[in-house]
Amino acid sequence: AQKITQTQPGMFVQEKEAVTLDCTYDTSDQSYGLFWYKQPSSGEMIFLIYQGSYDEQNATEGRYSLNFQKARKSANLVISASQLGDSAMYFCAMRENSGGSNYKLTFGKGTLLTVNP
Amino acid sequence: SAVISQKPSRDICQRGTSLTIQCQVDSQVTMMFWYRQQPGQSLTLIATANQGSEATYESGFVIDKFPISRPNLTFSTLTVSNMSPEDSSIYLCSVEDVGSKGGELFFGEGSRLTVL
Repeated sequence: AQKITQTQPGMFVQEKEAVTLDCTYDTSDQSYGLFWYKQPSSGEMIFLIYQGSYDEQNATEGRYSLNFQKARKSANLVISASQLGDSAMYFCAMRENSGGSNYKLTFGKGTLLTVNP
Repeated sequence: SAVISQKPSRDICQRGTSLTIQCQVDSQVTMMFWYRQQPGQSLTLIATANQGSEATYESGFVIDKFPISRPNLTFSTLTVSNMSPEDSSIYLCSVEDVGSKGGELFFGEGSRLTVL
């Protein structure tokens, strides 16, 4: 079974509008971390936001926020006021803290976001 | 945040040849990670490189195909051996931001290999 599921292969949004990118995860660990990365067409991986499993508040970083619903095992990324430069592939990732491999990130398949002018 | 430089940024290779990718970090790090991203796919961890010990490979990746060196705390190389078109991918080097809350990974710009 996949550990990270991103069900939206592609998403479109109008410039200046908000968009939500979905991510669900599967783990039996109590302690874990969730990450979102952006990959523009240039190929670099850019870290956006982090949510710890014990964090009571949703993480926010500028225009990025993470809608963390622990019981549903979802960690959706919300981008507010979309900009043309937000057009990129977005990856959700998880780090589990057991089994001796607590350094390893497991990535989802990604969502390609296109921002239209 | 760490600055990671990878060389080459891209290359076109012939089937059966080998290519070594270099990764240089601007600070000392304990672990360095090598990921592969096949066309249109997500990132998959190849191996973890620790200074002074053998690299730890993930399931499906073997040392003969992807030998790794880690001569010091700021440098690592990944070799893709006896390449075939299926090895056409972006190879990314990464390190952990140990000073951050989540320990997120920083990535190099990636090395985009095309095997003909």
